[in-house]
Amino acid sequence: DAGITQSPRYKITETGRQVTLMCHQTWSHSYMFWYRQDLGHGLRLIYYSAAADITDKGEVPDGYVVSRSKTENFPLTLESATRSQTSVYFCASSRDRGFEQYFGPGTRLTVT
Amino acid sequence: GQQVMQIPQYQHVQEGEDFTTYCNSSTTLSNIQWYKQRPGGHPVFLIQLVKSGEVKKQKRLTFQFGEAKKNSSLHITATQTTDVGTYFCAVGGGGGSYIPTFGRGTSLIVHP
Repeated sequence: DAGITQSPRYKITETGRQVTLMCHQTWSHSYMFWYRQDLGHGLRLIYYSAAADITDKGEVPDGYVVSRSKTENFPLTLESATRSQTSVYFCASSRDRGFEQYFGPGTRLTVT
Repeated sequence: GQQVMQIPQYQHVQEGEDFTTYCNSSTTLSNIQWYKQRPGGHPVFLIQLVKSGEVKKQKRLTFQFGEAKKNSSLHITATQTTDVGTYFCAVGGGGGSYIPTFGRGTSLIVHP
């Protein structure tokens, strides 16, 4: 029972490069979310998806792109990474709206 | 988006002492969820409250939803070192807003 997985777990990239963070869940949950976690800011929502091919912006979407062609996958792409995007990124899924979220282990991204 | 304030930001306690964290909103909430994140880990769902005045218990943890559905508290009785971590509330807004907003969390440090 894999649940929800993220890859890579750690990533170092240079400013200006494109990088994609992967998220995969095995529960067929409808909702999926991307958060970034920085000291002093808690968890901030970047994008979320209610179903395949349905995505919407969260609190801090600038500089990020998402897609959801399949229910189980929700990749997050940084089109041109900046140092301010250095953070820990968590993916989460939820059975339906208003239900509890299950978080992946996180990806620690460093942009140099 | 929904605004939520969580206090205190940090709390140091001696093992065996009680601990309480509060989550406050200026608007009526449809529900509130509580999560725990251990150091280096990912947030893990603890509980959801939906009814005015609701009180739920999980062993030494007591969760309460305010009568006006604008605030909530998490109380831990007789803390243990295993309680160390950051506790987050996540609030859903009224009117059917189903995308939760996370508070900044309260970090609990338990001294043995």
